[in-house]
Amino acid sequence: EDQVTQSPEALRLQEGESSSLNCSYTVSGLRGLFWYRQDPGKGPEFLFTLYSAGEEKEKERLKATLTKKESFLHITAPKPEDSATYLCAVLAAGNKLTFGGGTRVLVKP
Amino acid sequence: NAGVTQTPKFQVLKTGQSMTLQCAQDMNHNSMYWYRQDPGMGLRLIYYSASEGTTDKGEVPNGYNVSRLNKREFSLRLESAAPSQTSVYFCASSEAGESNSPLHFGNGTRLTVT
Repeated sequence: EDQVTQSPEALRLQEGESSSLNCSYTVSGLRGLFWYRQDPGKGPEFLFTLYSAGEEKEKERLKATLTKKESFLHITAPKPEDSATYLCAVLAAGNKLTFGGGTRVLVKP
Repeated sequence: NAGVTQTPKFQVLKTGQSMTLQCAQDMNHNSMYWYRQDPGMGLRLIYYSASEGTTDKGEVPNGYNVSRLNKREFSLRLESAAPSQTSVYFCASSEAGESNSPLHFGNGTRLTVT
């Protein structure tokens, strides 16, 4: 059974305090890994797609990396507006997409 | 350009009542999806429609039906609501034939069944 686990469940950061979120997965035949951002009361918003181990993508203060077993979302010098829930989702063989439970990030000024 | 629009935003039902959640997208996407989101469980796929005229069950289809009305619209129906269906429901769409293309989500319908 495909599994996607995100850690930690919640993260409290001071503004400017860099940190990383983890998404570990056990799937058969990885076809892609997605990161989304979700604000309260809103739907998830697409951030990145990673396809193979070693790949990296960046957008403003966010950087996503991928290994054979996990992905990291690094938040560099976060600002309060980076507060959100970050979701990862893994696309496996058979086009099955499995979401993790998310990491709630709170950045305090 | 509205993207994916869901109605209603909020709904309270009594056990046994029925309702239809509406979803429309204006991005000319062929594929559309219905997910539910529950605390600590991640998004789970209820039904999807790979293209107009086709629908398939996802991970948690029991208690739901769907209709792909046309290319733009994909509705989700609860025939006899149960408290276990209290959740936030998200509609999403993606580009045709690209299973690794990202999903575009609406802002959800928050449903409470008492």
